[in-house]
Amino acid sequence: GAVVSQHPSWVICKSGTSVKIECRSLDFQATTMFWYRQFPKQSLMLMATSNEGSKATYEQGVEKDKFLINHASLTLSTLTVTSAHPEDSSFYICSARALRLSGSPSGVLYNEQFFGPGTRLTVL
Amino acid sequence: SQQGEEDPQALSIQEGENATMNCSYKTSINNLQWYRQNSGRGLVHLILIRSNEREKHSGRLRVTLDTSKKSSSLLITASRAADTASYFCATALARTTSGTYKYIFGTGTRLKVLA
Repeated sequence: GAVVSQHPSWVICKSGTSVKIECRSLDFQATTMFWYRQFPKQSLMLMATSNEGSKATYEQGVEKDKFLINHASLTLSTLTVTSAHPEDSSFYICSARALRLSGSPSGVLYNEQFFGPGTRLTVL
Repeated sequence: SQQGEEDPQALSIQEGENATMNCSYKTSINNLQWYRQNSGRGLVHLILIRSNEREKHSGRLRVTLDTSKKSSSLLITASRAADTASYFCATALARTTSGTYKYIFGTGTRLKVLA
């Protein structure tokens, strides 16, 4: 099946430092990857949509200079939390979208997301 | 803002009972997916139902979709203690001007199955 990995799985850093999180699709190509953050006992909030070879599309309220996204290849997207502060502490999850053709003669496309295991960021 | 609201927020049942979770959304969708998340872990995809489908089954899972009411339900039959987790619905919004679908998550239901 389609596997998405994230690295690191957890990171603790000091306030003011930058942290890079990698998201890789291991056995498929992903033209689109999504970054989410999740606070304890809450749902996932979409932060940005990352398209290979182009600039990321950020959701309203997400600072693009704070959360830098680079989608350099069809299997790798990175999220860099710049000048991290304690309020940036969260669970960050990426997902990669695989396009599949159905078996129908019309060749209908449908989308399925595959999620990474998440990265827990703690900023002291 | 979040697209989906899930109901109930928390559900506690005995092993062997059925668990039903509901998801309502606001705008037109391409498809709706259900995910499971164990505490502190990533998400596991359970089932995808497209906007032109009304019901789908996968093992002990049954998902329905009512596009007229903008709602979906997830039924877990004969629940087990191992089903204890948070369950989220996610809606794929119709294609945006950039040509990309966005996936918006519901608020989630925390299910606890007591042995």
